[in-house]
Amino acid sequence: DTGVSQDPRHKITKRGQNVTFRCDPISEHNRLYWYRQTLGQGPEFLTYFQNEAQLEKSRLLSDRFSAERPKGSFSTLEIQRTEQGDSAMYLCASRPGLAPNLDTQYFGPGTRLTVL
Amino acid sequence: AQKVTQAQTEISVVEKEDVTLDCVYETRDTTYYLFWYKQPPSGELVFLIRRNSFDEQNEISGRYSWNFQKSTSSFNFTITASQVVDSAVYFCALRGDSSYKLIFGSGTRLLVRP
Repeated sequence: DTGVSQDPRHKITKRGQNVTFRCDPISEHNRLYWYRQTLGQGPEFLTYFQNEAQLEKSRLLSDRFSAERPKGSFSTLEIQRTEQGDSAMYLCASRPGLAPNLDTQYFGPGTRLTVL
Repeated sequence: AQKVTQAQTEISVVEKEDVTLDCVYETRDTTYYLFWYKQPPSGELVFLIRRNSFDEQNEISGRYSWNFQKSTSSFNFTITASQVVDSAVYFCALRGDSSYKLIFGSGTRLLVRP
């Protein structure tokens, strides 16, 4: 049983460029999350998908950010017109279901974004 | 509002010492879930434990133990006989039943010196 995978692991971009990250959840996990973690802080929630439906979005997710999960499997997170403040680790997590005993979120290795 | 506070920013111990990491939470939900994750230098968050609000039984797993006290809204984590490999940042997190998301504390960096 492979874990959550994310691609790329590192991304360096210039301010103003667009970037896209991909997350592949654990197979058969129909719930997927994106978080952002800055240095010295805990992860902060960005958005949540149940299958292909985006059910919750944080106010942190400005209109420059968009996330999709078109077939209910992998997900992409796109940042348009990147700013230096977007530099962070972007984490993806998945969980198998909604029942309490299926509640645990399992995290991927993250994509570290550096905006120059 | 939901909030998790980890007041200890950094703890340094010598190998084989016991160490307790504190976690205090706030939530208005009557049903909620508490978690601990470990983030080693490699960066990946590793799940350690999950606890339901209606189950206050403490848990022990090898050298790890967790003390959940609803009366003080705390969910503390103790490592017995610490080892160098325990060096990492440890995060406490909360999910209230009214939301899908995890709320994380700011983490405690544990350094275990040989």
